[in-house]
Amino acid sequence: AQSVSQHNHHVILSEAASLELGCNYSYGGTVNLFWYVQYPGQHLQLLLKYFSGDPLVKGIKGFEAEFIKSKFSFNLRKPSVQWSDTAEYFCAVTSFSGGYNKLIFGAGTRLAVHP
Amino acid sequence: EAQVTQNPRYLITVTGKKLTVTCSQNMNHEYMSWYRQDPGLGLRQIYYSMNVEVTDKGDVPEGYKVSRKEKRNFPLILESPSPNQTSLYFCASTAPGILSYEQYFGPGTRLTVT
Repeated sequence: AQSVSQHNHHVILSEAASLELGCNYSYGGTVNLFWYVQYPGQHLQLLLKYFSGDPLVKGIKGFEAEFIKSKFSFNLRKPSVQWSDTAEYFCAVTSFSGGYNKLIFGAGTRLAVHP
Repeated sequence: EAQVTQNPRYLITVTGKKLTVTCSQNMNHEYMSWYRQDPGLGLRQIYYSMNVEVTDKGDVPEGYKVSRKEKRNFPLILESPSPNQTSLYFCASTAPGILSYEQYFGPGTRLTVT
């Protein structure tokens, strides 16, 4: 069965530092990949998604992610973080089950950005 | 405004007292899901529904029931809540179509069972 690993559970950065959050999935083949963000007290919002084509995907708020098929990875990056990026970030992968593609989520990475 | 709504947002209850968390979406989406979010475990799917009157178990269905009598509503029912169901619950809906797996999430319901 498909599974998703996010290696960093907690990340603490200073403003303007660069960010990279790791995400690996277990099952090869055709996958659709997502990063969601959850700001404190809010619901999940889509940051970016990859279905096909250019493996470097750009999302909202300056985030980007690179799909590396050979490494089963979809790492999230941002060159310069801001205090407002403090949130929890979830990687998700589609898994075909029960007649439709459902999303499998990673455990999440909690990011704290200090001024 | 396109949205998924959940009620209540916060709920404290006692073991064994039946409760229902409502979920409604105004986007005419066919697929709807319920997740629970627990620290260190991410989101785990409880139940999902592919359309009206079509529901199925997700990864952690024990202790929960759902129904889908109308397209827009997908309530989550806890017949006899227990403390291990204390969690943050999210309802989500997904637009139909092979290229659209983006899920729209509700604001969440924080449930505490004492």
